Amino acid sequence: AQSVTQPDIHITVSEGASLELRCNYSYGATPYLFWYVQSPGQGLQLLLKYFSGDTLVQGIKGFEAEFKRSQSSFNLRKPSVHWSDAAEYFCAVGAGQAGTALIFGKGTTLSVSS
Amino acid sequence: EAGVAQSPRYKIIEKRQSVAFWCNPISGHATLYWYQQILGQGPKLLIQFQNNGVVDDSQLPKDRFSAERLKGVDSTLKIQPAKLEDSAVYLCASSLDSLSGTSSYEQYFGPGTRLTVT
Repeated sequence: AQSVTQPDIHITVSEGASLELRCNYSYGATPYLFWYVQSPGQGLQLLLKYFSGDTLVQGIKGFEAEFKRSQSSFNLRKPSVHWSDAAEYFCAVGAGQAGTALIFGKGTTLSVSS
Repeated sequence: EAGVAQSPRYKIIEKRQSVAFWCNPISGHATLYWYQQILGQGPKLLIQFQNNGVVDDSQLPKDRFSAERLKGVDSTLKIQPAKLEDSAVYLCASSLDSLSGTSSYEQYFGPGTRLTVT
């Protein structure tokens, strides 16, 4: 069965510092991978996605993620964090064909200190 | 382009009462999903519709939850009777399917309905 693990429940980063959020997935074939962000009281907003091709994908708000098949990972990175990046981040995998439901990790809460 | 609309945004009910949530997906999106997000966890699929047909309802507690999408557009999710453990955010999402049958990988989420069962 497919699964997603986000090892870090809560991370605090200083404003201007770099960020890396970890995501590991379990799936036999090449998965479709996503990162979503959720601000308090808001729905989920797609940051970026990986389907195939270049393993380094760029997203919105200056985020990027790298797919590493050998490590079953899809870590999210940002070179310089802004206070407005404080939110909850979810990694998700879509298995099988397009249009199938997503399986989400439990999320990582990002706090940004000044 | 209007996003996925959900109502109400918040609902507080007592256990054993019933409640209904409404979702209007993005225009033209054939696939609609209902997810349940319990505090501290990621969203979990409850049911998936393709037009007005059910694709996957394997994780829907059918003894108390029901959902419909009669005309292939709006959808309603109902809980009757509610239990304390149903307290969660209920998220609706939609994705585009072309007439050729090619689905979109990208799902668009509504703001969710926060349900508190007391």
